[in-house]
Amino acid sequence: DADVTQTPRNRITKTGKRIMLECSQTKGHDRMYWYRQDPGLGLRLIYYSFDVKDINKGEISDGYSVSRQAQAKFSLSLESAIPNQTALYFCATSDPGQGSSYNEQFFGPGTRLTVL
Amino acid sequence: AQTVTQSQPEMSVQEAETVTLSCTYDTSESDYYLFWYKQPPSRQMILVIRQEAYKQQNATENRFSVNFQKAAKSFSLKISDSQLGDAAMYFCAHGSGNTGKLIFGQGTTLQVKP
Repeated sequence: DADVTQTPRNRITKTGKRIMLECSQTKGHDRMYWYRQDPGLGLRLIYYSFDVKDINKGEISDGYSVSRQAQAKFSLSLESAIPNQTALYFCATSDPGQGSSYNEQFFGPGTRLTVL
Repeated sequence: AQTVTQSQPEMSVQEAETVTLSCTYDTSESDYYLFWYKQPPSRQMILVIRQEAYKQQNATENRFSVNFQKAAKSFSLKISDSQLGDAAMYFCAHGSGNTGKLIFGQGTTLQVKP
């Protein structure tokens, strides 16, 4: 089973609709991140969370909100979707502890979102 | 603020040959990491190699190696004996040692010709 899962994998929605993207992980990591990928821009950070009560804005948080329901779950919401939010969205986790995977981020499979 | 620049949108290499992907970065942090991620058509993000900034020795992982020039803020990826499966988008990324946040470059699409 995948360590980091995202649902849905693909979604088409209309302008003005509310949509939620969900992320779950079984890696036991405290830190979770949401990124969006656009052609020619790479991945950009939307929000990140160090634990359930610690949520921080990233580079491009406008138009998005997040919820950390549990250590293992981190959801991204678009309250009123607009076409320029069409992108590929990734969730990632990391472990701030020591070891070979220190600071390495583990990515989910991505959600392709299209806003018409 | 941290920035990462990949100036080569596309590269191509003949199978079995060697190719180098370029990356430069700017940072105000003293504790940071650098990564190369591979994104094949499946769109999964796969870690290729990582480099701790405090280490002088260049990281290597089988056919993949880096040339880390800290003073020049350069972090290039060398792929030796290129294989068809290496064809993908490659992203260079700066990781904060404090927050773990990643700042990505724009990506380089690598084509491998048989």
